[in-house]
Amino acid sequence: AAGVIQSPRHLIKEKRETATLKCYPIPRHDTVYWYQQGPGQDPQFLISFYEKMQSDKGSIPDRFSAQQFSDYHSELNMSSLELGDSALYFCASSGLDEGSYNEQFFGPGTRLTVL
Amino acid sequence: QQQVKQSPQSLIVQKGGISIINCAYENTAFDYFPWYQQFPGKGPALLIAIRPDVSEKKEGRFTISFNKSAKQFSLHIMDSQPGDSATYFCAARGNRDDKIIFGKGTRLHILP
Repeated sequence: AAGVIQSPRHLIKEKRETATLKCYPIPRHDTVYWYQQGPGQDPQFLISFYEKMQSDKGSIPDRFSAQQFSDYHSELNMSSLELGDSALYFCASSGLDEGSYNEQFFGPGTRLTVL
Repeated sequence: QQQVKQSPQSLIVQKGGISIINCAYENTAFDYFPWYQQFPGKGPALLIAIRPDVSEKKEGRFTISFNKSAKQFSLHIMDSQPGDSATYFCAARGNRDDKIIFGKGTRLHILP
């Protein structure tokens, strides 16, 4: 079965640079979610989109922005990168056809390292 | 303040034994409680989930027990296998929310 696709899988940036992470949801899924997971930490919700509109917002820094496009893929844009932004960034997707629980299925993640 | 409290932080179980991970929550607006399994460098994978109107759910070797009055739920892994060695996260979500709130995770190691 098709899964969530994230690119790139690994990214190395310098402080104060910008980064763009991409997420391609499972086909027919209309909702995407972004999470950040620091080393040895639990995933922390950043932001979500439903039908190209922001639907929920968590602890996302003002330096970060995201959007969902007409083909439902999403991009997380990160500017003025800081050392503390080094983490695994996961995208998850969900769709109504997954049942009443609206389960979220996670991608493999992008490992961002800020030097 | 951790909204979902998980214990233990780490757990070592002999092959064939029962692994038990416990979680507690405070927010009564939570209405969906999933468990995720995560291997190093991989994304969390949904293992099993439950809603508060059910006290127990079993899928294969994995069972969730849910105590609504105590606001506690637990994961039992029967006949634990070395391949079960991973980090397990309990989580919760409110019916008006998108975000899943995770516990701190339990690093499970099954001895061969």
